[in-house]
Amino acid sequence: GAVVSQHPSWVICKSGTSVKIECRSLDFQATTMFWYRQFPKQSLMLMATSNEGSKATYEQGVEKDKFLINHASLTLSTLTVTSAHPEDSSFYICSARERGRETQYFGPGTRLLVL
Amino acid sequence: AQSVSQHNHHVILSEAASLELGCNYSYGGTVNLFWYVQYPGQHLQLLLKYFSGDPLVKGIKGFEAEFIKSKFSFNLRKPSVQWSDTAEYFCAVRSGSSASKIIFGSGTRLSIRP
Repeated sequence: GAVVSQHPSWVICKSGTSVKIECRSLDFQATTMFWYRQFPKQSLMLMATSNEGSKATYEQGVEKDKFLINHASLTLSTLTVTSAHPEDSSFYICSARERGRETQYFGPGTRLLVL
Repeated sequence: AQSVSQHNHHVILSEAASLELGCNYSYGGTVNLFWYVQYPGQHLQLLLKYFSGDPLVKGIKGFEAEFIKSKFSFNLRKPSVQWSDTAEYFCAVRSGSSASKIIFGSGTRLSIRP
């Protein structure tokens, strides 16, 4: 089956720094990628949807200037958490879908801890 | 707007017991429905999905779900659970367009006593 990877798997950073998380589709071309965040014991909340070559569409309440998403190629999307604060600590999960296909494949997630 | 409700936050069962996890959605149009599972320390995996056709859908690992349109429900079932089924289960809905986003329910934690 299709594989989606994320890097890094976990990251600890100081408050005020920026953190970049990569999401890659390893064996298919992901025309659409989704970014979710999951707080402990809670569900996945969709943050934004990105189509290759286009600007991301952010969900209501998600600050686009704080969570920068770039989907520059068909196999890579990045999420940059700018000026991270402790309340940004969460589990960030990406998923990817191939053009014309129904199924979304999920990455293993990146755990972010902001001190 | 679409929404998904999972009424059971935590379910505890003994091995070999039967399982039914509730899922209700709100959306008036055509929907695609999903159940995902997240085993401890692992990423989300698709258990089963419903797009159209037979409302009784069979998935992996002996799971099945029934789409009841009149009740806006898509409950997950398994006749006999195993200890290895211990996981978090998420119901999800997407409006009937592959371009639409998937909305997740709050999840149900399933604990199986050996």
